[in-house]
Parts: sequence; structure tokens; C-alpha cells
Amino acid sequence: KQEVTQIPAALSVPEGENLVLNCSFTDSAIYNLQWFRQDPGKGLTSLLLIQSSQREQTSGRLNASLDKSSGRSTLYIAASQPGDSATYLCAVEYGDSGGSNYKLTFGKGTLLTVNP
Amino acid sequence: DAGVTQSPTHLIKTRGQQVTLRCSPKSGHDTVSWYQQALGQGPQFIFQYYEEEERQRGNFPDRFSGHQFPNYSSELNVNALLLGDSALYLCASSFGSSGFTDTQYFGPGTRLTVL
Repeated sequence: KQEVTQIPAALSVPEGENLVLNCSFTDSAIYNLQWFRQDPGKGLTSLLLIQSSQREQTSGRLNASLDKSSGRSTLYIAASQPGDSATYLCAVEYGDSGGSNYKLTFGKGTLLTVNP
Repeated sequence: DAGVTQSPTHLIKTRGQQVTLRCSPKSGHDTVSWYQQALGQGPQFIFQYYEEEERQRGNFPDRFSGHQFPNYSSELNVNALLLGDSALYLCASSFGSSGFTDTQYFGPGTRLTVL
């Protein structure tokens, strides 16, 4: 069964800290992995997309890595700010020799609180 | 440039009723996916439409059906509503391709409450 797990479920840090969010997935046959941000009651904002052939992607203070062999991805947030407080979701697009299955399989998310 | 839009924002229905949710994709996108997100959970894939055809379907019963129009907008229909259908319904659009899904852009969602 293709599953995505995120640890921890919740994280609280003081402003200015660097932090790492973890995502693990079963089955290494992935096409890509995305990290999303979701504010309470809102839709999802795509932060970073890593293709299966890539090892990492960076955008501003965010850096996402992908290790297919170990089934892990991390989202690194540098110099956290209160505005970073949100739920962060990891999503994997799986596939097989015939191609992608076209759907995103999500983890349950990590609720991040950055305290001023 | 308008992003993905969804209507209505909120909806309250009673058990057994039917509901239709609507989605307009981001300009230039031709693929629409629907997800159900229960409280405290990650989104669950319902189905994806590409070129007006259902291209992939998740583990949802036939009560959940959809449609894509020639202008690429889409509808999600749910029949015989159950209490467990209460959730945030998210629409995502992307530029269609064969073989994999490009970055998906999500709408704000429709909050459905079934009483």
C-alpha cells in the first residue's frame, strides 16, 4: 500500500530557529514529491516540487530534499518567522512502468507554530 | 491572472440530499483534480479529469461523480449524502500531460457540512 507519513504531527519553535519537517513514503517508484502549506480552513499553496530525478529544490528560506532509496524527504525552513505558522503537507505522486498514476497521496501534515 | 476558483464557499445539506460543487481552473490549465479533506487529515484523491474524461479515480464510491466542460471547468456531484461526507472539498488544476502530473494549484475549497 502506498502511504505517506509525516513526523512530527505538531511542532512549536521560537522565532528565528531553523527547523526540519520530515516525510516518509512507502514504495520508491515515485514521479515527484511536493510540499504544500495550508493555512487554517484554506486551500493548499505549493511550496516546492521535486522531480524523482532531483535531489533537492530551494526557494528562499525553504529547502526540500528527496532520497528515494530511503523513502524520505525533508523540508528545511531557515530563520523561521511567525508568518510561517501553518500546516505543512507532503504529497507524493506514484507511478509504475506504465506511467504516473496522476494522483497525489498526502500525509496528514505537520502543524507548525512559530512563537514571536 | 485568476487562480483556481471554487463555489460555493460553504454549504450545509442534510443526509440523503445531493450536492454539486464547482471549480474553474487557473488560466491555461486543462486538468482538474478533486480531493476530499476531512478535519485533521490530509486530502484524499477523488478523481482527475483531463480532456473531458475521467483519467484516474481514487477509492470513492459511485455516489461521487464528476464532469469536465469544454472550457475545462469542472463539477463534483455527490448523491445520497452521508454524515461522513462532511469535509473540505478541494479542487486542483494543472497543465495536462501524459505520464505525470505537473505542479497542481489548489483552490480555496468548499466546506460541506452534512447534518
